[in-house]
Formats: sequence, C-alpha cells, structure tokens
Amino acid sequence: QTVVTQEPSLTVSPGGTVTLTCASSTGAVTSGSYPNWFQQKPGQAPRSLIYSASNKHSWTPARFSGSLLGGKATLTLSGVQPEDEADYYCLLFYGGIQGVFGGGTKLTVL
Amino acid sequence: QLQLQESGPGLVKPSETLSLTCTVSGGSISSSTYYWGWIRQPPGKGLEWIGNIYYSGSTYYNPSLKSRVTISVDTSKNQFSLKLSSVTAADTAVYYCARLAAAGTLNFDYWGQGTLVTVSS
Repeated sequence: QTVVTQEPSLTVSPGGTVTLTCASSTGAVTSGSYPNWFQQKPGQAPRSLIYSASNKHSWTPARFSGSLLGGKATLTLSGVQPEDEADYYCLLFYGGIQGVFGGGTKLTVL
Repeated sequence: QLQLQESGPGLVKPSETLSLTCTVSGGSISSSTYYWGWIRQPPGKGLEWIGNIYYSGSTYYNPSLKSRVTISVDTSKNQFSLKLSSVTAADTAVYYCARLAAAGTLNFDYWGQGTLVTVSS
C-alpha cells in the first residue's frame, strides 16, 4: 500500500513564504505521478490549485506555485495572505489512474 | 459552468449498502477526456480516493475498498453512482464526486459540494 506523506502542520506569518512537501513511499515523486495540490477550508469541498506538479488553473492565485524538488512534489505560497489558512492535500497517481492522497497539511497563518 | 451534485441517503445501517448518485450538469459525462471519481473524508480526517469510472464503464478502485465498491455510469441521465457494501461506522464520511481531467494530465478539477453519510443503527 503506497503511502503519501505531508507535513501535518506548518505555521507562517502573513506576507511570508512557506513550502509544503509531498513524498511517496515508493521513491521519488515524478511528473508521471501527476502531482495535484488541493486547498480545503472548513465546511467546503477541496479546490484544485495545482496539477501535473506545476500547472495552475485560471482560478489559482499567482502566489501559489508547484514544483518537483529533491524527489518530492512541493507547493510554495509566497506572500501568504490570512485567507490562505486552510488544509492542503497532495494527490499522486499510481498504476494509471489510481490515486493516493497525502494526509494533509494544516497551514496556520499567524 | 460544470456542476456536480451528490445525492442519496444520509443515514445507512451497519452491514447495509451505501448508495450515492452524482448528477453532472453543464457538461457531458460521455466526454472522452474525462473520468469521474468518488472521494471520501471521515469527520476530522483526510481525503481518501475511492475509485474512478470512464463513460464506457471502465473502473478503477482503491485496493483497500475494492471488495466492497461498485461504481457505475448512466450516460442517458448524465450520472454516475457509488455503491459500498457491508458498511461499518468507519465508512461514516463526507462523500464527494469529482471530475478527473485526463487529457495529458490527471486532475480532479471540479468537485461536488459533498454529502455526509452516517453509518449507524
């Protein structure tokens, strides 16, 4: 059973920069896993922010960026805003279109 | 604008079968570039992928749930459905349906609002 690991929690100051990571128990995360990043606020459905590691949707704020770095998928928030406080989930795909979510990172803006 | 809406009973008894339907509006479920998926989230916990289906009926399931899950599609109604058998309290969760974009990428880009299903007698 593949396990995808994220930091359980991170804290960042308003205006600061924070990087969230997503690691796979099978080894380095590659573009072939089509890394996705989602933001979820309390009581809401997840919202897709990043797909295929670094691609943004039209609705993704410019301060969010994704990449592959050091064998992990990363999500970087630059110039963090109070409204960025949320849970963030990564999703990796294996064996075609079987997905595995990470456990999520609770981001606190303080 | 694409919209997905989950529907079904909010309360299911232990050992029975959970049944949910996702109605897609604003787009065709028969599009060749998309799969359709189910994801769930137990209260206070993280997301879990359940499975995906293509309009042709091809399915892909989470290995940990595969023995209990059936996902089907009804293209005439622009709907797809989830059945989870032999439920226990551990299956209590918010269940989401979502569109999986699959043209040169894989991305759950549009989600339903989710529906809470409680397993209890």
